[in-house]
Amino acid sequence: GAGVSQTPSNKVTEKGKYVELRCDPISGHTALYWYRQSLGQGPEFLIYFQGTGAADDSGLPNDRFFAVRPEGSVSTLKIQRTERGDSAVYLCASSLDVGGFNEQFFGPGTRLTVL
Amino acid sequence: AQKITQTQPGMFVQEKEAVTLDCTYDTSDPSYGLFWYKQPSSGEMIFLIYQGSYDQQNATEGRYSLNFQKARKSANLVISASQLGDSAMYFCAMREILNAGNMLTFGGGTRLMVKP
Repeated sequence: GAGVSQTPSNKVTEKGKYVELRCDPISGHTALYWYRQSLGQGPEFLIYFQGTGAADDSGLPNDRFFAVRPEGSVSTLKIQRTERGDSAVYLCASSLDVGGFNEQFFGPGTRLTVL
Repeated sequence: AQKITQTQPGMFVQEKEAVTLDCTYDTSDPSYGLFWYKQPSSGEMIFLIYQGSYDQQNATEGRYSLNFQKARKSANLVISASQLGDSAMYFCAMREILNAGNMLTFGGGTRLMVKP
């Protein structure tokens, strides 16, 4: 079956602009996660959804970052007034459920470059 | 304090040899899980192996095994019979089930290079 997909694969924007990054999880997966991976580092947690609600948004760096999952499937990560420090690969993952061992399946990521 | 520490930024191994990638972790949560992911140059994160904190035996998946030493808080990945396709970044990650819900905390990674 289809894996996690993310669009666009690459996004170049100018400082101060607004961007939206989309994630399509594996069908039937109730949990969805966003991570950010800066160059040469491991992924860092941003937010995770259980169904439609954000169950934990403690990793969002500031109020310029926001994410939604209105129908419990596709999610959009929104970044306002982008800054050069926002440049990174944004990874989305989904899992069938939560708790214990629930393998998170990762998408290919969106590489965001803020000029 | 770092929750996941990978002390080897880069490792070389000869093809067909075994290699151990180190991972130490720090948690007060009695219930946690440890994961290893592989990230090739293409960028996708590929799940390799999982060890639960209450698992009595070390996890194994094909050529991958996890050397879990709970008292030392280490969860080293052992890759046997290395192949050229094993060249990639490897990340150790932890889920603290009671304290931190379902997020994964990743280490900084180890770049493995397999020499022919």
